Amino acid sequence: GAGVSQSPSNKVTEKGKDVELRCDPISGHTALYWYRQSLGQGLEFLIYFQGNSAPDKSGLPSDRFSAERTGGSVSTLTIQRTQQEDSAVYLCASSLRGGGDTQYFGPGTRLTVL
Amino acid sequence: GQSLEQPSEVTAVEGAIVQINCTYQTSGFYGLSWYQQHDGGAPTFLSYNALDGLEETGRFSSFLSRSDSYGYLLLQELQMKDSASYFCAVWGDYKLSFGAGTTVTVRA
Repeated sequence: GAGVSQSPSNKVTEKGKDVELRCDPISGHTALYWYRQSLGQGLEFLIYFQGNSAPDKSGLPSDRFSAERTGGSVSTLTIQRTQQEDSAVYLCASSLRGGGDTQYFGPGTRLTVL
Repeated sequence: GQSLEQPSEVTAVEGAIVQINCTYQTSGFYGLSWYQQHDGGAPTFLSYNALDGLEETGRFSSFLSRSDSYGYLLLQELQMKDSASYFCAVWGDYKLSFGAGTTVTVRA
């Protein structure tokens, strides 16, 4: 497709389970970003990839969170041992080069932890 | 660390001009971005300022003063569809930090 896609669109899981969220950026975009938005709250930056590398992972909320990007394309965000406070919409965006380039957002994955 | 301040709400009538200010404190500043988000929708990237001055894109303009750690988003000729939340964000040290957002309500 022409835009950023994310899967699944909705995920309901039980506390303590692991979840994996996927982001397919726009073809050719070298930069990829993960954000989180809790209900009624602002945007929280999680991590940024330039190619397959993330210069800084300290934005991830805890060591239960990890992210990787392979082949300069698809990225996965993994949350281990999910907690109720992890419930949020997880948004992915990509841009052609990074920095101040226009970021194109995917529709998000709504995660609900019961 | 990084912190940003922007007003929580702004209300204006159609056709008016609205300015949303954003002040920030950050280390390793690279630039200031603005995003728009309608209720229930994904954010839309509006602009990025790395250098001082005004950037104009249609009805929206964004301004940055690095010496004052200050920027603003200017919405001109307001339309009902501009009712949304607007977030400023600063890039610093490979991180993007967001303000809490400004809810703009446009009235007929």
